[in-house]
Amino acid sequence: DGGITQSPKYLFRKEGQNVTLSCEQNLNHDAMYWYRQDPGQGLRLIYYSQIVNDFQKGDIAEGYSVSREKKESFPLTVTSAQKNPTAFYLCASSIAGGPYEQYFGPGTRLTVT
Amino acid sequence: GESVGLHLPTLSVQEGDNSIINCAYSNSASDYFIWYKQESGKGPQFIIDIRSNMDKRQGQRVTVLLNKTVKHLSLQIAATQPGDSAVYFCAEKVRNEKLTFGTGTRLTIIP
Repeated sequence: DGGITQSPKYLFRKEGQNVTLSCEQNLNHDAMYWYRQDPGQGLRLIYYSQIVNDFQKGDIAEGYSVSREKKESFPLTVTSAQKNPTAFYLCASSIAGGPYEQYFGPGTRLTVT
Repeated sequence: GESVGLHLPTLSVQEGDNSIINCAYSNSASDYFIWYKQESGKGPQFIIDIRSNMDKRQGQRVTVLLNKTVKHLSLQIAATQPGDSAVYFCAEKVRNEKLTFGTGTRLTIIP
């Protein structure tokens, strides 16, 4: 089956700890994205990557970091510098450039206490 | 700044009726629009898209209408079913730039 996987589905961390969220896709897409979703709100772009070994900050990149060493993988690290890390995190991928839809993973719900 | 917004945050529709979800956009340069459906605790699912050179596009039980004159987008769902209950997002894109998402409309189907 082709698609995007995110793991784990639920993640709990103590304040002050860094945590890495996994995102893998086998759709052969060049572009990958990370979004944050808070209750009752839309999606806000954290980081995106159009090609391997390159990525750009989105609208709310502070306190987050990413890497894109492989086409299939785009892990997101939520650092201790992120003031309000508790949220639902969504990864997506698409064909790069042009008017193409983004395919989303199932999401990871991160709770930091 | 430019934004994508929705007229109604919630919508309740009787099962079997048609529903219409509206979306206003403010960037006249937007040339691509998508509707997503998101069920509770899940990632958004692609429903249908439309390019700015079209006014209407139909899918299975869904129709998207684009009115560029008033910068308005709508999603029509025919013969709604309980499984249609979800939050619906519109998103817009300008050429090769990133997608901008609206805040969503919660659709509830009343049995």
